[in-house]
Amino acid sequence: EDQVTQSPEALRLQEGESSSLNCSYTVSGLRGLFWYRQDPGKGPEFLFTLYSAGEEKEKERLKATLTKKESFLHITAPKPEDSATYLCAVHDYKLSFGAGTTVTVRA
Amino acid sequence: SQTIHQWPATLVQPVGSPLSLECTVEGTSNPNLYWYRQAAGRGLQLLFYSVGIGQISSEVPQNLSASRPQDRQFILSSKKLLLSDSGFYLCAWSVQGTREAFFGQGTRLTVV
Repeated sequence: EDQVTQSPEALRLQEGESSSLNCSYTVSGLRGLFWYRQDPGKGPEFLFTLYSAGEEKEKERLKATLTKKESFLHITAPKPEDSATYLCAVHDYKLSFGAGTTVTVRA
Repeated sequence: SQTIHQWPATLVQPVGSPLSLECTVEGTSNPNLYWYRQAAGRGLQLLFYSVGIGQISSEVPQNLSASRPQDRQFILSSKKLLLSDSGFYLCAWSVQGTREAFFGQGTRLTVV
């Protein structure tokens, strides 16, 4: 049973076109929701941890929010360098990852 | 600062050959260590984790094994590789008592 579902699978944006990625989860005892960025052929890079509903974290053009059943990663005015796969993970007794959303930002 | 080293970056091995991937962490003591595998279009799958020297937990029955001979060294092995062992292998670490995991750059393994 999938614990983490990310949507959409792929997202193509024009530079400056803001959008959001979704991560829905089904774990009952959430001990943290994590966002990572992964560039092709590289290991994931840690971005954020969210622990409770209503919590928000920001880093440059990225903002992550958390509700009781899902998290959103908002990308504001993206640039081509924001192109990457964004992974969401939840922690009950281990980190369980979603399949990711591949974001492509065109100049 | 802490760094994680994983090698080799790419590896092509014939079916039936042995495997040894190594991962080391610098700048921290007694980390939790993890091996993940990532298949195309799928999420990262946890293979093994370790909370200390000689302590290995396996998440998925498979053709692979892991060992932790030193505090900051984690090794992924196989005696005989299968085609299905191909994939992108990632080592990660976390501080004991915390949950954020930090990843190495990965090894792309192709079994031919």
